[in-house]
Amino acid sequence: AQTVTQSQPEMSVQEAETVTLSCTYDTSESNYYLFWYKQPPSRQMILVIRQEAYKQQNATENRFSVNFQKAAKSFSLKISDSQLGDTAMYFCAFMKQGWGKAGTALIFGKGTTLSVSS
Amino acid sequence: DTAVSQTPKYLVTQMGNDKSIKCEQNLGHDTMYWYKQDSKKFLKIMFSYNNKELIINETVPNRFSPKSPDKAHLNLHINSLELGDSAVYFCASSARHLGGNTIYFGEGSWLTVV
Repeated sequence: AQTVTQSQPEMSVQEAETVTLSCTYDTSESNYYLFWYKQPPSRQMILVIRQEAYKQQNATENRFSVNFQKAAKSFSLKISDSQLGDTAMYFCAFMKQGWGKAGTALIFGKGTTLSVSS
Repeated sequence: DTAVSQTPKYLVTQMGNDKSIKCEQNLGHDTMYWYKQDSKKFLKIMFSYNNKELIINETVPNRFSPKSPDKAHLNLHINSLELGDSAVYFCASSARHLGGNTIYFGEGSWLTVV
């Protein structure tokens, strides 16, 4: 069974600074995907960034980037130039590759609450 | 146009009642999911359907019964509601595309059992 661990229940950062959220996972699968989702107080689930395990290059999306260490099973999220609107809960998630009836779904960590202050 | 829509968004009901949450996606996806987010905000998969066929059924009480009339709809019916069923229920959908799966979530249905 796969597990996802986020060891930081809460983090805080000042506007314009950089913050890194940690995530580790455990799996015996060789083909899988990793995700970071953002959940603001509205509870909407917003995809921040996605990484395919077979890609060595770390994914980036504007101010968001990941540090994917496959051997260490680590997948951290770096937020640069933090903004007040980044305040939210952030979930790391794992999904093994599988199509159609193969039965795959996102497995989430317990989340990290990020507070950005001015 | 909302890609994954759930109704109702808010639902307050008494213990012992039966209620349903409906979900529709207009993305042309072939796989749909129900997730439960509990009071500690932990998200857990409940069910998944692919082309109307149940493919994932986690250890969920059989008071919960999903139904997929077609691949664009996945409804969740809950019998004999209990206090512990209070949660936010998320519907989601996905489809294979170049590069792999991406899962799209609805806005959630906030269920409160009193």
